[in-house]
Amino acid sequence: AQTVTQSQPEMSVQEAETVTLSCTYDTSESNYYLFWYKQPPSRQMILVIRQEAYKQQNATENRFSVNFQKAAKSFSLKISDSQLGDTAMYFCAFMFFGNEKLTFGTGTRLTIIP
Amino acid sequence: GAVVSQHPSRVICKSGTSVKIECRSLDFQATTMFWYRQFPKQSLMLMATSNEGSKATYEQGVEKDKFLINHASLTLSTLTVTSAHPEDSSFYICSAKDGQGAVDYGYTFGSGTRLTVV
Repeated sequence: AQTVTQSQPEMSVQEAETVTLSCTYDTSESNYYLFWYKQPPSRQMILVIRQEAYKQQNATENRFSVNFQKAAKSFSLKISDSQLGDTAMYFCAFMFFGNEKLTFGTGTRLTIIP
Repeated sequence: GAVVSQHPSRVICKSGTSVKIECRSLDFQATTMFWYRQFPKQSLMLMATSNEGSKATYEQGVEKDKFLINHASLTLSTLTVTSAHPEDSSFYICSAKDGQGAVDYGYTFGSGTRLTVV
């Protein structure tokens, strides 16, 4: 079974700074998807960004970008120009191609300090 | 975008009673819905996968007789916690996959239900 590890339980950063959240995973499969989800205090899960494993180009969504290192099984999230609204729990998630189940990491609690 | 409505947002019930949680896809047909449980400051643990018109598939260790899932239509899935006990207190979240959408776009989540059993 695949596992997803987030080694940073908590992080904090000053507003407008850049922060990187780490995620590693373990799988023997070659086709899969990776996601970063955000869970703000409202508890609503929001998709931040996704990456297809077969794509070498790192995904970007405005201030959010990933560093996907397939050989190292690493999928970090970089948040640039951090904003107070970025304060949330961030979960890394994995999905096999052809399987509908998401496996979540343990989460990183990110606090943006004004 | 796709919206999933989950109700109630909070519920308190007495030990031994049953509680029903609804998950509705508002603007799309959800062929598959997922139910998660989240303990405080922990990750989401998948409980079961429900497909419209068929029996739910439960993850290992989840009691199917305690957590009844019904997915009777393409827009509604329900989770009933039967004979609830304090240890069932948790945050329950549903998510849905758009039947027309690609799975690699992820899923839409409901806003969750906080269940407290007293």
